Parts: sequence; structure tokens; C-alpha cells
Amino acid sequence: QKEVEQDPGPLSVPEGAIVSLNCTYSNSAFQYFMWYRQYSRKGPELLMYTYSSGNKEDGRFTAQVDKSSKYISLFIRDSQPSDSATYLCAMMGGGGSNYKLTFGKGTLLTVNP
Amino acid sequence: KAGVTQTPRYLIKTRGQQVTLSCSPISGHRSVSWYQQTPGQGLQFLFEYFSETQRNKGNFPGRFSGRQFSNSRSEMNVSTLELGDSALYLCASSLRGTDKQETQYFGPGTRLLVL
Repeated sequence: QKEVEQDPGPLSVPEGAIVSLNCTYSNSAFQYFMWYRQYSRKGPELLMYTYSSGNKEDGRFTAQVDKSSKYISLFIRDSQPSDSATYLCAMMGGGGSNYKLTFGKGTLLTVNP
Repeated sequence: KAGVTQTPRYLIKTRGQQVTLSCSPISGHRSVSWYQQTPGQGLQFLFEYFSETQRNKGNFPGRFSGRQFSNSRSEMNVSTLELGDSALYLCASSLRGTDKQETQYFGPGTRLLVL
């Protein structure tokens, strides 16, 4: 079983739709959870960073973490064509040298005008 | 402030050759991590350097190595290239690379094609 599972999609939605992206994980040591967005031929850029269980909102983006279920989500409201990209969940453990990021494989999202 | 830069951006090599990739972190950042991204395996951690010392290493063969210089710039080297080494190699930097709510900033990557 991989440490982080993410549905690769692809996911295609019309402009204005609400998008839900999800990851599950198996390593209980993960304490920090991130969502990165990666445009074609670019490096990943950080979208959201959460630590505790619950919701964190930033503009049209909401990150949700449920540590009891080992499940994280990213919601995009009022999706725009410019949101078309690959979305990667990433996690990091705590303590010692476990600060390397472990990524999901990414979900390719296309928002159609 | 300038972002993470990586050179070269594109590289074509043949099997058996070796390659060196370079990464310049954001000014003031002392931790540099390297990742390999392929369609099949996604983003996988290679290694991380802090203050010229390798602190953490992923599950890659010894053909993959790296180093960091006193100015925090880092290089990674892949010897005896194999077809499967074709990938996007990403470098990320952070201030100290601790697990205390510190984010990693990625460069644009070096796309390596092994023929």
C-alpha cells in the first residue's frame, strides 16, 4: 500500500463548478498537509498548508483534514479555466529527520469555459 | 526576491552517460531538497541537504548523488544513466528544512531525457 493515494483523474468540470480533490494516507506520523498546484512544464507551487484536523479557507480554496480517517480534501469554489492544472497533495511527518514531503501522484483538472 | 532556479532546463543524454544538475535556492534558504517526477511514480524524494550535509535520503540507488556548497547552491549527479532516469528533476528550498510549519518552494525543474 502506498503511503499516499490520490485519484489521478483526469477531472473535467465546467467553469463555475465546485471541485473536490481528495487524498488518503496510511502513515499516522504525517502531521503537515499541503496542496500544490502544478501547471504544465512548471514546478509545483504551494496552495494550502494545514496542520490540524479541520478546515482552512483561502479565497476560493478550502483545505480539509480528517486525521481520524486519514483523509484530506481540497475544495475549489467557482472554478475558473485558470485553475486547470495538476493538483498534488503532499504530507510531511513530524520529528527527527522525517520532514521530507511525500506526494500523491496528482489529479489533472481541466475547467472548461 | 528571486525564486528557485535550476539549470539546465532541458537535457538529452544517452544511456551510460552521467549528468549534473544545478539548483540555486531562494536567497537565505539553507535547505535544498531534490525530487524526481515521472508519470508512473509521481514525485519522489531523492535527498535533502542542509549546511553542506545530506540529512535525509530517499529510496534511490547510489547512482544518484548530490552535494551542497557553502552558498547553499546544490548539485545532483546521476551516473551510468538508464532509460528509466528520464524524468523531471525538481529542486525545492526552504529556510531550515525543519518540520515546523515550513514550506518548500520549488524550481521549474530540469527535464532529462535519456536515449
